[in-house]
Amino acid sequence: AQSVTQPDIHITVSEGASLELRCNYSYGATPYLFWYVQSPGQGLQLLLKYFSGDTLVQGIKGFEAEFKRSQSSFNLRKPSVHWSDAAEYFCAVGAYNQGGKLIFGQGTELSVKP
Amino acid sequence: TAGITQAPTSQILAAGRSMTLRCTQDMRHNAMYWYRQDLGLGLRLIHYSNTAGTTGKGEVPDGYSVSRANTDDFPLTLASAVPSQTSVYFCASSEIRGSSNQPQHFGDGTRLSIL
Repeated sequence: AQSVTQPDIHITVSEGASLELRCNYSYGATPYLFWYVQSPGQGLQLLLKYFSGDTLVQGIKGFEAEFKRSQSSFNLRKPSVHWSDAAEYFCAVGAYNQGGKLIFGQGTELSVKP
Repeated sequence: TAGITQAPTSQILAAGRSMTLRCTQDMRHNAMYWYRQDLGLGLRLIHYSNTAGTTGKGEVPDGYSVSRANTDDFPLTLASAVPSQTSVYFCASSEIRGSSNQPQHFGDGTRLSIL
């Protein structure tokens, strides 16, 4: 069965600093991988997805993520964080031939210092 | 704006009462999902439906039921609410094309408190 681990429950970075949010997954084959962002009181918004091909994927709002099969990781990065990036971030994994079901990580809450 | 509409946005319910959370999508997606979100646990799948007329159990289905009479609507029912069902509930939809896994689109959630 698939599983997703986000090791960091809460991260604080200064505005303008770089950001990396970690995501590790467990799945026997090539997974489908997603990052979502959730602002307070809102639903989840898709940041980016990896299905196949180029392992570095670009998303919205200046985010990118890199799929590393050898490390079973799909870390989210942003070179310069803005105060509006403060939110909760979820990594999710889907499996081939299991419909659209996703398994979500526990989430990482990002705070941004002025 | 196209998307997913959930109702109500919030509700306080007495234990033992029944409640139906509504979810409607206008994207004509074939698949729909219900999740609950609890602090420290992320989102957990309650039930899903890959197409109208079919439903399946997710990770935490006990105490909940769903139906999928048509493409657009996917209501979630709590037959006899218990305090442990206090949570934020999210409905989502996606398009399933063969074996591929398209991104899910989410509603804004229903905050439910069981007293």
